[in-house]
Amino acid sequence: SAVISQKPSRDICQRGTSLTIQCQVDSQVTMMFWYRQQPGQSLTLIATANQGSEATYESGFVIDKFPISRPNLTFSTLTVSNMSPEDSSIYLCSVVTGGPYEQYFGPGTRLTVT
Amino acid sequence: QQQVKQSPQSLIVQKGGISIINCAYENTAFDYFPWYQQFPGKGPALLIAIRPDVSEKKEGRFTISFNKSAKQFSLHIMDSQPGDSATYFCAASFEDRKLIWGLGTSLAVNP
Repeated sequence: SAVISQKPSRDICQRGTSLTIQCQVDSQVTMMFWYRQQPGQSLTLIATANQGSEATYESGFVIDKFPISRPNLTFSTLTVSNMSPEDSSIYLCSVVTGGPYEQYFGPGTRLTVT
Repeated sequence: QQQVKQSPQSLIVQKGGISIINCAYENTAFDYFPWYQQFPGKGPALLIAIRPDVSEKKEGRFTISFNKSAKQFSLHIMDSQPGDSATYFCAASFEDRKLIWGLGTSLAVNP
């Protein structure tokens, strides 16, 4: 497995502002993903964070709203831009490590937009 | 369109009992089927997983049963304990490792 940390763990933000969430892994990983989870609900994949190239976004998510950076194999950021209350959610990063299939998750960032 | 259907939505089991959660999938291209356990305020934790060439996998009190022809898989928790109370998610992935999630099962184990 891997030790994955996320910053911040939680934040309360004003409508119209942006928040950048950091994901740090204790080892180099090739595959990294960003998910969103509404409280009490399942997870939805936002994008695949590709090292050295643009992220690959899932249907319903766009780069202007959720820009992602992946400068190296241990770090990525997700920015939630021009936030609205509908963006209130838990944002999670995950990595594939320890085997070709095993995916591990960070602790999540709980975002509340007022 | 939900590609992985999970049931039941919630489950109450007595301590020492067996908890059973079921999932069904549609896409035969899935090649990996994990179960995750999530406690409130935490990220999902990989519990146990199976590939379609195996019909059963056991790790401690947790067992996955896999029925390829029926496109179903299930999680069995033997000797359920209050500490097992959590939300459990099944998932499935393709070669690209993107996880398609079930909607989750909230398990409560009564002492």
